[in-house]
Amino acid sequence: SQTIHQWPATLVQPVGSPLSLECTVEGTSNPNLYWYRQAAGRGLQLLFYSVGIGQISSEVPQNLSASRPQDRQFILSSKKLLLSDSGFYLCAWRGQDLSFPDTQYFGPGTRLTVL
Amino acid sequence: QKEVEQDPGPLSVPEGAIVSLNCTYSNSAFQYFMWYRQYSRKGPELLMYTYSSGNKEDGRFTAQVDKSSKYISLFIRDSQPSDSATYLCASSIYNQGGKLIFGQGTELSVKP
Repeated sequence: SQTIHQWPATLVQPVGSPLSLECTVEGTSNPNLYWYRQAAGRGLQLLFYSVGIGQISSEVPQNLSASRPQDRQFILSSKKLLLSDSGFYLCAWRGQDLSFPDTQYFGPGTRLTVL
Repeated sequence: QKEVEQDPGPLSVPEGAIVSLNCTYSNSAFQYFMWYRQYSRKGPELLMYTYSSGNKEDGRFTAQVDKSSKYISLFIRDSQPSDSATYLCASSIYNQGGKLIFGQGTELSVKP
């Protein structure tokens, strides 16, 4: 079965510091991967998605970047955090059952607080 | 206008009540519709999936899509305190990289 991991689970960082969040998927190969941010009481905002190694699409102009150095690894980064970067960051992979196109399965998330 | 609109609630019901959660969408190209359940401080989990207009039932949960009115519903029968969570509707368009458009989420509380 497939599992998705994210770390760290929680993070408190000062404004202006760098950021690196990691997501890994097990039990599947060549998945589409997604990074979302969820602000308090809000829905999910798609930040980046990737269809393969080195292939990143950005959905929203922002202070963040993403990379996919390996097939099942997806990294979210920032060189200098802003207060507005605080939120709950979720990684997801796209299911590969053709009977249910576009389903996504989420990791446990990373709660980021920028002070 | 957001592509998928959802009343954020909060919605509070007594245990055993029937719950109705709703979303509207504006893009007629949406083809796939999903409901996710998200417990506090956890990642969302897929609850229901529908492809076309009509109903889909799974235990106490029924998902309904009305493409003519662009309306998505989730019904929960015999609601339980363990159903207390935020429910997110999501839609997607075929062959768009699997990208989902989410509603804001409705916070549900089921009181014992």
